[in-house]
Amino acid sequence: SQKIEQNSEALNIQEGKTATLTCNYTNYSPAYLQWYRQDPGRGPVFLLLIRENEKEKRKERLKVTFDTTLKQSLFHITASQPADSATYLCALHYGNNRLAFGKGNQVVVIP
Amino acid sequence: DGGITQSPKYLFRKEGQNVTLSCEQNLNHDAMYWYRQDPGQGLRLIYYSQIVNDFQKGDIAEGYSVSREKKESFPLTVTSAQKNPTAFYLCASRGLGDYNEQFFGPGTRLTVL
Repeated sequence: SQKIEQNSEALNIQEGKTATLTCNYTNYSPAYLQWYRQDPGRGPVFLLLIRENEKEKRKERLKVTFDTTLKQSLFHITASQPADSATYLCALHYGNNRLAFGKGNQVVVIP
Repeated sequence: DGGITQSPKYLFRKEGQNVTLSCEQNLNHDAMYWYRQDPGQGLRLIYYSQIVNDFQKGDIAEGYSVSREKKESFPLTVTSAQKNPTAFYLCASRGLGDYNEQFFGPGTRLTVL
């Protein structure tokens, strides 16, 4: 069956350190993968998109990698700040312009 | 301001009643989506529409219905046939073309009493 796995345990990290989140998937062949940020009680907000032929994408303090052999994406927040505290969702493209979402991984940045 | 709106933010319904959630966008997007989010769960696709007057079932369409009479609007009706309707409902829109992101509304939290 198709599955997208993100760590269910919250990641607690000290301010200034790099937070790294993992997204693993099985039985998907996504043309691209996206990462979203979601704050409590609000809709997700798009952060980054990476295509299957790209290894790495950066935007300001964010970096995403995509390994189609390992079926894995890593999401990094460098120089983390308390304002980065949120839940981060991995989303895979599949048939007919749909997205399949992981359950999300909560990040808590400790001042 | 361009964006996507959902109303109401909170909605309470008695068991056995149908209820309609509103979703409006002024982004000129062709595609619109409805998701359901339960605590500790990912977003699950209910229905989606890529063009006016056409829509397709997602993964959990049972107990829900939609219409797409206008490009800007994609209302979702939660019917009494939906066994566990209490959830957070999110609407999204997307421009056509590859590699476009989805823009989400603020969500509607539905509680069945």
